[in-house]
Amino acid sequence: DSGVTQTPKHLITATGQRVTLRCSPRSGDLSVYWYQQSLDQGLQFLIQYYNGEERAKGNILERFSAQQFPDLHSELNLSSLELGDSALYFCASSVEVVRGTLRANVLTFGAGSRLTVL
Amino acid sequence: AQKVTQAQTEISVVEKEDVTLDCVYETRDTTYYLFWYKQPPSGELVFLIRRNSFDEQNEISGRYSWNFQKSTSSFNFTITASQVVDSAVYFCALSEDSSSASKIIFGSGTRLSIRP
Repeated sequence: DSGVTQTPKHLITATGQRVTLRCSPRSGDLSVYWYQQSLDQGLQFLIQYYNGEERAKGNILERFSAQQFPDLHSELNLSSLELGDSALYFCASSVEVVRGTLRANVLTFGAGSRLTVL
Repeated sequence: AQKVTQAQTEISVVEKEDVTLDCVYETRDTTYYLFWYKQPPSGELVFLIRRNSFDEQNEISGRYSWNFQKSTSSFNFTITASQVVDSAVYFCALSEDSSSASKIIFGSGTRLSIRP
């Protein structure tokens, strides 16, 4: 168990619908990252939040949005879903400092949420 | 621009064989970080190692070893005496930023199958 919790594990929905994926980072980690993994695109960085604020944006579609709450959990909202949005969505968190060694770019991943759009 | 190439899409070996996963990277920065992550069939990516560009020493951790060569821009991963539990997709990654993971570029992954 990595300490990063994602729900739901599996989700099947129809085109045009909206879904919300939830992530709780590892205890003590302030940064949350969202990634999309698909067969044709590989692992794509979507967005990062740090302590409640958006820190960086990657290849995130306008139909997608995210937020991080005061308790540091994060939600990724996917709307107007298309067949091509079917993928594994990962949440990851990172620690800022470990024993004096900067490890802010080391990611701890959750188990992922597999989204199938029919 | 950064780029990570894992030319081996799939590798299949018999248990107990040694296997090397190749990773070639491109970057214009002199300071950068290289990573390997493992994605077992369960799906969760697991961090294996991070090296910075100033540390070219090879690293060994049990049956795993990593060979970092700046001259050839490679960061290869070797599993000695492979086991079935090593079956997974392995990702090599590169980042020029030490303060955030948002700039990590992942390779396309190598699917490793260990046959009993």
